[in-house]
Amino acid sequence: GEDVEQSLFLSVREGDSSVINCTYTDSSSTYLYWYKQEPGAGLQLLTYIFSNMDMKQDQRLTVLLNKKDKHLSLRIADTQTGDSAIYFCALRGGNKLTFGTGTQLKVEL
Amino acid sequence: GAGVSQSPSNKVTEKGKDVELRCDPISGHTALYWYRQSLGQGLEFLIYFQGNSAPDKSGLPSDRFSAERTGGSVSTLTIQRTQQEDSAVYLCASSWTSDEQFFGPGTRLTVL
Repeated sequence: GEDVEQSLFLSVREGDSSVINCTYTDSSSTYLYWYKQEPGAGLQLLTYIFSNMDMKQDQRLTVLLNKKDKHLSLRIADTQTGDSAIYFCALRGGNKLTFGTGTQLKVEL
Repeated sequence: GAGVSQSPSNKVTEKGKDVELRCDPISGHTALYWYRQSLGQGLEFLIYFQGNSAPDKSGLPSDRFSAERTGGSVSTLTIQRTQQEDSAVYLCASSWTSDEQFFGPGTRLTVL
């Protein structure tokens, strides 16, 4: 099955940019997503990208997709303390989402 | 509210007991999904319902797990003879299309 990997932790200073990376093995996914999970809360969809796109920008969020390298990234500009959370990439295959392992983002003052 | 709701928010049970977890999807959403989030396994797909079609049960980990969706709306996930490894957060999501799944807050299940 699909294998989706992320780094476990990322620490940045408030105001800096954060880049969260995701690598995957199955290139047949049509949609690739980024979700945010705050402590004790469910998953919040942040943004998604079609597999025929290279980049998508949505306010402070930029998603980059490199299909050749099977690499997806999420850049958060001007990171704020409210961005502290766990971020999951997810790939849609058929009827289900396959999630990455999650990256815990810590924003320091 | 207009979002996906799940109940109970927390459930503590003894090993060997049966549990039922409930999901109320967003009104009008035809697709409903169950996922499980646990420390050892991350986020895993369990089951998918779409309209009146036969559900996709390919993610259910054992025959102790079952789910139904009545009237195309509310869904119940049942775990029989619970085991400690069933302890996890069970997440429900619904969608109108397959593009965007909206998640509920989850039910935290603890099996003692």
